[in-house]
Amino acid sequence: DSGVTQTPKHLITATGQRVTLRCSPRSGDLSVYWYQQSLDQGLQFLIQYYNGEERAKGNILERFSAQQFPDLHSELNLSSLELGDSALYFCASSVGVEGSEAFFGQGTRLTVV
Amino acid sequence: AQTVTQSQPEMSVQEAETVTLSCTYDTSESNYYLFWYKQPPSRQMILVIRQEAYKQQNATENRFSVNFQKAAKSFSLKISDSQLGDTAMYFCAFMNRGSQGNLIFGKGTKLSVKP
Repeated sequence: DSGVTQTPKHLITATGQRVTLRCSPRSGDLSVYWYQQSLDQGLQFLIQYYNGEERAKGNILERFSAQQFPDLHSELNLSSLELGDSALYFCASSVGVEGSEAFFGQGTRLTVV
Repeated sequence: AQTVTQSQPEMSVQEAETVTLSCTYDTSESNYYLFWYKQPPSRQMILVIRQEAYKQQNATENRFSVNFQKAAKSFSLKISDSQLGDTAMYFCAFMNRGSQGNLIFGKGTKLSVKP
C-alpha cells in the first residue's frame, strides 16, 4: 500500500457526462500528480499541484480540470466525456515539488459507454 | 522532446534466473532522473528503482539493478533470482530535473516469470 488513496476504483458513465475522481495523498505529501494510462497513448502526465497551486501541466485536455484543496486532497474533473477518455487515471504524490520520488495510487478505471 | 523506448514488448524468464529489460531514451538535457516502475495485475504502479543522471554509480535495490550508460542513453534493468511475484508490466520512465513530476514513460515490457 503506497498510502495514496483514489476513489472510486471503477467508474462507468455515458458519453457527454461529467465525473470527478478523487485523490488523497500520503500523509505529509504536498504534491499531487495526475496521470492517464490508455491503450492508445500509454501513460501520460496530466497535471501537478503543489500545496494548492497548479505547478505543471502536461497533455491535459481543456475538458479536464483539477484542483487541490486546503486539506491537500485533489480532484480531477472530466467533462463532456468521450469514448476515448476511457482509461486508468492515476494519482501520485510526493513530499516536494520536484516529484523525483512519487508514490502512485491504485488508479481509477473509467469506462465511457 | 524527450522520448523513452522499450524495444521488448514481452519477455519471459524461468524462476530463479536473471533477466534484463532494455530502455533507451532521447534527451538533450544533462540533469535528469530515470526510473523503472512495475505494474502488476493489481494495476498499482510501484517504483522499483531510481537513478540520478549525475551519479555514475549504478543504482541497486536488492535483486534489482540498473546498467546506466549516459553517453549511450541507455538504462537497462536487471532482475536477479527472478520470482513469480516479479510477473508484471515494467515501465521505464524519464524526468527532467525541474520538470516537476512530468514523467515520460515508455510503452512497457510485459515480463512473465515461469515456474
